[in-house]
Amino acid sequence: NAGVTQTPKFRILKIGQSMTLQCTQDMNHNYMYWYRQDPGMGLKLIYYSVGAGITDKGEVPNGYNVSRSTTEDFPLRLELAAPSQTSVYFCASSSGTGSNQPQHFGDGTRLSIL
Amino acid sequence: AQSVTQLDSHVSVSEGTPVLLRCNYSSSYSPSLFWYVQHPNKGLQLLLKYTSAATLVKGINGFEAEFKKSETSFHLTKPSAHMSDAAEYFCVVSGMGYKLSFGAGTTVTVRA
Repeated sequence: NAGVTQTPKFRILKIGQSMTLQCTQDMNHNYMYWYRQDPGMGLKLIYYSVGAGITDKGEVPNGYNVSRSTTEDFPLRLELAAPSQTSVYFCASSSGTGSNQPQHFGDGTRLSIL
Repeated sequence: AQSVTQLDSHVSVSEGTPVLLRCNYSSSYSPSLFWYVQHPNKGLQLLLKYTSAATLVKGINGFEAEFKKSETSFHLTKPSAHMSDAAEYFCVVSGMGYKLSFGAGTTVTVRA
């Protein structure tokens, strides 16, 4: 049972480059999320999706874009990488509409912008 | 609005001794509360959740947490620490809908 799968696991980018972080889940969850984790800061929500074709901004969306063409996939795109985007990125998914549904996390993508 | 404060950024215990990780929360709604654990270079794994049923919640790996509304607390405990418990722990609150608020995390070190 794969759960939430993120690729790549590690990446180094130069300032101004672009890339897409991939996320796929095999649990048929409607809700998917992207977070960034910075040291001592917990996780901050970047974007989320409540179903295919529907996305919305979280707390820290600037510099990122997302799309959700299928239930399984929720890629995160960085268009013009900046050093402030150096972070660990986590994708998560959850089922149902209640607030008590736990989120399932991938193992993360560690991204450095130099 | 909702928020979480983890009162200790780092906790160090000896193997076999109790572990206590403290969490206070604030929420405008009846909250759902979670504890997640993160081992190095891994994603977050759910330890336990409180969703307005029993106030004492049992989770995986011998952890449990007690919801105290009067104190707005949700502290995590384990009677006897194991070396494998060394990790970072996050207290999380969920209010209306699906938005989660994460604490800053508590790093647990276990001494042999």
